[in-house]
This record gives sequence, structure tokens and C-alpha cells, in this order.
Amino acid sequence: DTGVSQDPRHKITKRGQNVTFRCDPISEHNRLYWYRQTLGQGPEFLTYFQNEAQLEKSRLLSDRFSAERPKGSFSTLEIQRTEQGDSAMYLCASTSRGLNTEAFFGQGTRLTVV
Amino acid sequence: QQQVKQSPQSLIVQKGGISIINCAYENTAFDYFPWYQQFPGKGPALLIAIRPDVSEKKEGRFTISFNKSAKQFSLHIMDSQPGDSATYFCAASMDTGRRALTFGSGTRLQVQP
Repeated sequence: DTGVSQDPRHKITKRGQNVTFRCDPISEHNRLYWYRQTLGQGPEFLTYFQNEAQLEKSRLLSDRFSAERPKGSFSTLEIQRTEQGDSAMYLCASTSRGLNTEAFFGQGTRLTVV
Repeated sequence: QQQVKQSPQSLIVQKGGISIINCAYENTAFDYFPWYQQFPGKGPALLIAIRPDVSEKKEGRFTISFNKSAKQFSLHIMDSQPGDSATYFCAASMDTGRRALTFGSGTRLQVQP
């Protein structure tokens, strides 16, 4: 296992289309996080899973966004009816059990809505 | 309050110099303070982290200084190298609950040869 992987790396879509991103965390990690990073800003928390349970969603996550983590393994983030304001880097991170463990980030999916 | 404020926004340092980046937080429930390094097109990678029970932590050329009473912490990069040119983010999280990271806005460091 070489780390957290995300697919695709880049996605260009037309406004109004639906897009889905995938994240494969480090295999033994039970927590998985999604963050959004816009240009010149730090990542912002969107949602997280502990195993297969989605435990919290940020106010940033509108009804057009949905995330899943079936069987506590990989996760998907879907954006419906994309808007230009959704253009950003979507980052996935995973952590192992325990306190203050390192969060390992994937390389992100850069979404551009045209 | 969840905000973490970071300064400066950008920093230019000569090779061999010291780079200093500062952060301030508001939520006293934070108890884990990592610094992440991010290169263009890559995800953030952990550089060094500290807990509030110590005032300083050093790993190689990187040092975190932590002032609990002032709610501030800083990253010092000694003997800065061109390979250190990247964007640096401070962050904070809590041991309880979601433990998600709250990031600062980032500092773009350029080390000139």
C-alpha cells in the first residue's frame, strides 16, 4: 500500500453535470476525511467517515453533495448539478485509530466546472 | 471559534536563512498542532506536529515553538534550502469528536539560491 489514492486527478465538466470522485485510503485506516481546497486557501473540512458510518458533514456540504464509504473501504464523493463555485481541489485523507495520528492526504482531484 | 490565522501569506528567504511562519488559534479545545507542506499538484504532507504540553519540538531543520497562553505557534525552518520552496499550512484539531483538521490559509515560501 503506497498511500491514499484518488481518482481522477483532474476533471473538467460542464455546469449542471454530475461528477463522482473516488478515494482509496490506506488499508488499515478506519477514518476517512474529505476536504475542499480552493486556490490560495487551506483545505476545508467537508465530511468524515469512521469505518462505513458518515459521522459528520460540514455546512459547506450542500444537498448537491453526497458521500459514501461502503464496507468501510473506499469512498466516493458525488456532486450533482455542478456549479462554477464547485471548482476546487477535493482532497481525501485517512487516519488510523488512536489520538492525534497523522492524516495522510491523497494528491487530490482538481475539478473545473465550465 | 474554529479559525486558525496564519501569516505571512508569502515569504522570500535566501538559501541558508531562517524561515519563520506564524499561526494563531482561538479555540482552546485544540490540542494537536501539525504543520503540513504542500508542493504544487500534490496533497499536503505532514512535516512536524506538537501537542500543547510542550513548548518546543525540533526535527532536523524544522522547529515548532508553541505558546499556549498566547494561543500562538510558529514554524522555524533553519538553513532554508531551495527544495523547501512550497506552501506551508498550520493546522489544529481536537482529540475528541471528528478530529478533523482546521487549516490556516497557507504561506507560500520561496527560497532563493
